[in-house]
Parts: sequence; C-alpha cells; structure tokens
Amino acid sequence: EPEVTQTPSHQVTQMGQEVILRCVPISNHLYFYWYRQILGQKVEFLVSFYNNEISEKSEIFDDQFSVERPDGSNFTLKIRSTKLEDSAMYFCASSEGLAGANEQFFGPGTRLTVL
Amino acid sequence: AQKVTQAQTEISVVEKEDVTLDCVYETRDTTYYLFWYKQPPSGELVFLIRRNSFDEQNEISGRYSWNFQKSTSSFNFTITASQVVDSAVYFCALSEAHPSSSGGFKTIFGAGTRLFVKA
Repeated sequence: EPEVTQTPSHQVTQMGQEVILRCVPISNHLYFYWYRQILGQKVEFLVSFYNNEISEKSEIFDDQFSVERPDGSNFTLKIRSTKLEDSAMYFCASSEGLAGANEQFFGPGTRLTVL
Repeated sequence: AQKVTQAQTEISVVEKEDVTLDCVYETRDTTYYLFWYKQPPSGELVFLIRRNSFDEQNEISGRYSWNFQKSTSSFNFTITASQVVDSAVYFCALSEAHPSSSGGFKTIFGAGTRLFVKA
C-alpha cells in the first residue's frame, strides 16, 4: 500500500540553525500539506501546496518557514532560523484531490528538537 | 470560522466497557467533511473515518461506530467493548469543501481526547 514517508524521523538542532524536513508524498497525489504538533497538544495546520505554489497557510507559517517541491517526488519544509518553540512533531500529508473530498494520508512525522 | 471542540481531555475505562468520544464542530460552510484520527503512543496519525456533510447515516466498522448529527453539529465516536490496544489520543477534525479567501483548503483538528483502557 502506498504511503507518505518522512525523513529524518528525529532531528536535533541548535537554536538559530536552519533545518529542512523532507517528505515523499504518495506518487499520484496532487495536494501536499504540513502540520505541526507540539508535544501533548493538538495537530495544527501550517500550509497547503498545490500546483507548485502555496494555496493556504496559517498564521504560524511566518517568514521563517518555506516549502518547496524541488523535484517530482520530494516536498520539503524549511525553517530558516529555528527557535525553541519550533520543537514539535511535524507531519507531512498528501491527498489525491482536495483535502476534504479526499482522505489526507499522513506520514509518520519528524520530531524536531531545538536546543 | 472553523472550530472543533473535544471537551473530554482524558477518559479512563476498564477493558470491555463501551466508551463514547464527543466532538462538536462549527463551520459556516454547508459542505464540509469530518474525520476521526487515532494517535497511538508511537505518534503516527491513523485515519479512522471520513464523513461528508450530506451523509448523516451512522456508520459501524467492527467495534467502532460514529454518530453524525447535523442538528447538534456533533460527530461522536463510540468504541464498543474497548480493548487495551484502543489506548491512544483520538482527534476529531473538520475540513471545509470550499476554498478560503486565499484559495486553499485546510483541516482543523480538535484538541484530542486521551483514552486509557485498563486491563
């Protein structure tokens, strides 16, 4: 069964450093998403991406964040200068069509720890 | 604006008990989608069900059942004869069917209900 994969599973970084979280969505999916879950809290929407551009972003997704689909398979989330409060689990998701009409398939997550 | 409320923060039951997890949502859209996800201790999000706003038929899948009532904006989830493996955090989520003013779609999650099933 096709699945969304994410690497690395755990990333530890120093405050102020740049990190890139990588995701490989399901191959025939057209919509891609990043969500964040601070430990013990709810899953929060960050950004949706379609047709090589951001289609929606939340207030959390400020100028420190960027997304890219550098090739036909990867979807990345970059945090330019990490802060302590960026420590969280980051989930990538993809869907064949629109998020509501089609199930979003979530990856296993990348746990980011900012020291 | 969209909002999902899961008023129960934690529930603890003994194995074989039935348990209902509550979910109340708010949306201005007439077309929307509701979801339940399970997050076991390992951390991944496991899709359980999707329901669209035009389908109020209740659904049963094994020990799981869902009760969708538009009149009360609720989408409750019942586990019958709970098992220890059901211990997890359960999230209710809402996705609107129409693009926002920015042209995008997103899914809004509730705060989650942590279920403990004791042997």
